[in-house]
Order: sequence, then C-alpha cells, then structure tokens
Amino acid sequence: KNEVEQSPQNLTAQEGEFITINCSYSVGISALHWLQQHPGGGIVSLFMLSSGKKKHGRLIATINIQEKHSSLHITASHPRDSAVYICAVPDNYGQNFVFGPGTRLSVLP
Amino acid sequence: GAGVSQSPRYKVAKRGQDVALRCDPISGHVSLFWYQQALGQGPEFLTYFQNEAQLDKSGLPSDRFFAERPEGSVSTLKIQRTQQEDSAVYLCASSSTSGGNTQYFGPGTRLTVL
Repeated sequence: KNEVEQSPQNLTAQEGEFITINCSYSVGISALHWLQQHPGGGIVSLFMLSSGKKKHGRLIATINIQEKHSSLHITASHPRDSAVYICAVPDNYGQNFVFGPGTRLSVLP
Repeated sequence: GAGVSQSPRYKVAKRGQDVALRCDPISGHVSLFWYQQALGQGPEFLTYFQNEAQLDKSGLPSDRFFAERPEGSVSTLKIQRTQQEDSAVYLCASSSTSGGNTQYFGPGTRLTVL
C-alpha cells in the first residue's frame, strides 16, 4: 500500500505570506492529486499532476517523480485559503486513492 | 451542473441503531467511492462500485457495514448496530472512469453515534 505523508500537520500564517505544504509517498505513481477541504467536509480537487509544475491563480503545485515528493505553494495567502489541504495518490491497483492525513492551514487577517 | 450530493448532511444515532447514508453521484459517472474520514485525519477508502458492481469492499471495517448501488447510480451505505467508533464523516465521490482520474466529492455526511 502506498504510504502518504504530509508536512506540516498544522500551519498558521499571516495574510500575504507565502505558504508551502509538502507531500511524500512511498510507491511510484503516475499522477498525484491535491485536494482542498473546507470546514463542513466538502472536498474540491485543486490539481492533478504527473510531472513538473502546474499553476492556477495563486496556487502552484510541483512534483518530483524520482524523489516521490510534491509541494503545494500558495502565494499572497488570504484568510479564505484557510482549509485542510490533502494530497492523494493512486493505490496499487490504480483505481482508488490513498490520502495523506492533511495539512490544516489557518491564514489570519 | 449538479455535483455529487449526499443525505443526510448530519446524522445523530444512538449506539445500536441502524443508519443509511445516501449518495447521488454526478449523472453518468460509472465509478462511485465511499470513504470514511475520522476527525483530524485524511479520508480512508471503504468501498468502490463500477456501475452496479461492487468491485472492492476491502476497506469496510466490519460486517456491520454494507453498501449497495443496485441500478448503477444512487448508492446507499448502511451501518448496522452503530458503535461510537463509527462516528466520522462519510464521503462519497464519483468519477467518469476508473484509473485514478479526478474524483468529484460530495459534501459528506457527519455521523455522530452517542
């Protein structure tokens, strides 16, 4: 089973700060997903990436397949970015996900 | 367009009660997944359907948990004789295909067992 770790577990930042959340996994994969979960449980898919870097607004995701590591960056953070950020990778059979424990981000005004 | 919906959004049950949680996936999505998310943790896989076929139920924690999708669309997760450790958010997700493609998540059902 692919083991997924995230760091930090909790992160508090001031509005405007640059934020980095890290994800590492144990078994090679074809693609990795970053998800955002707001209070109340709803999950939104942010990125699916298999190599290099993707950018969407103030969010940037990078992945290093060889090192089995991905990072999610938030530039000019805002209180509305406060959420739990979860990385997910395919399981051994490729039909389902294994989720990281999540990083709880709080951005203070 | 309509996303994945789940009902009820919140459920409080007395220990020993049976509960049924409903998931309405995005229309036309063949794959449907159920996850259990304990407080402060990432989701954990429970079971997976492709159309009406339950292809993987290895994540169901005990035989008190049962899921069905009889017509390949709406799915129900049933928990019999609920225990306090069943308290969690139950998430449903659907996907147009299998194979690690993007899953669209519902808002979840928060189950509290007293």
